[in-house]
Amino acid sequence: ILNVEQSPQSLHVQEGDSTNFTCSFPSSNFYALHWYRWETAKSPEALFVMTLNGDEKKKGRISATLNTKEGYSYLYIKGSQPEDSATYLCAFKGGSGGSNYKLTFGKGTLLTVNP
Amino acid sequence: NAGVMQNPRHLVRRRGQEARLRCSPVKGHSHVYWYRQLPEEGLKFMVYLQKENIIDESGMPKERFSAEFPKEGPSILRIQQVVRGDSAAYFCASSPLQSENQPQHFGDGTRLSIL
Repeated sequence: ILNVEQSPQSLHVQEGDSTNFTCSFPSSNFYALHWYRWETAKSPEALFVMTLNGDEKKKGRISATLNTKEGYSYLYIKGSQPEDSATYLCAFKGGSGGSNYKLTFGKGTLLTVNP
Repeated sequence: NAGVMQNPRHLVRRRGQEARLRCSPVKGHSHVYWYRQLPEEGLKFMVYLQKENIIDESGMPKERFSAEFPKEGPSILRIQQVVRGDSAAYFCASSPLQSENQPQHFGDGTRLSIL
């Protein structure tokens, strides 16, 4: 069984704060790490696909880093806004007996940004 | 381009009935994935299909569940003789290629409730 852990489980910040959260995943047989943003009653929206150790990706105020050797990725949000409130999911492709198509998801970090 | 379309959004069935969940992938996408989210759980992989082929159904219960992606028409996830434990949100995703670099594009899901 592949273990993908996200922390914290939930987070409350004030508008304007910067924040970050963690995704840990198996460090063996790595194919890719995906980040998704998921608002209630909508579909998960792809943010980043990261494949190389040391990758850093950025989209507006959101950025992510990847360390495949130690099995973790960080997602950063700079200057949080209320519209950033959502659940942020990471999903791993790979692992022992894993594949390059099957996503194994963490349970997500629920971010609430208070105005 | 329309995204992944799932219908119905909500489905209520009584124990013993059949449930049919439909998924139309993004136009031009020939790879479809089904995931299930049980209450208090993360998204879990069920099945991966290409047109007319089941590639990996390792996450799907062996009994009562089946999936297809015909040459024409949407992908169908079929659950026969539903039980209360089948109550969950079922999500479909699609991609144009099978590659670790490709994100999977998700639909809004079908919430299945079993009375």
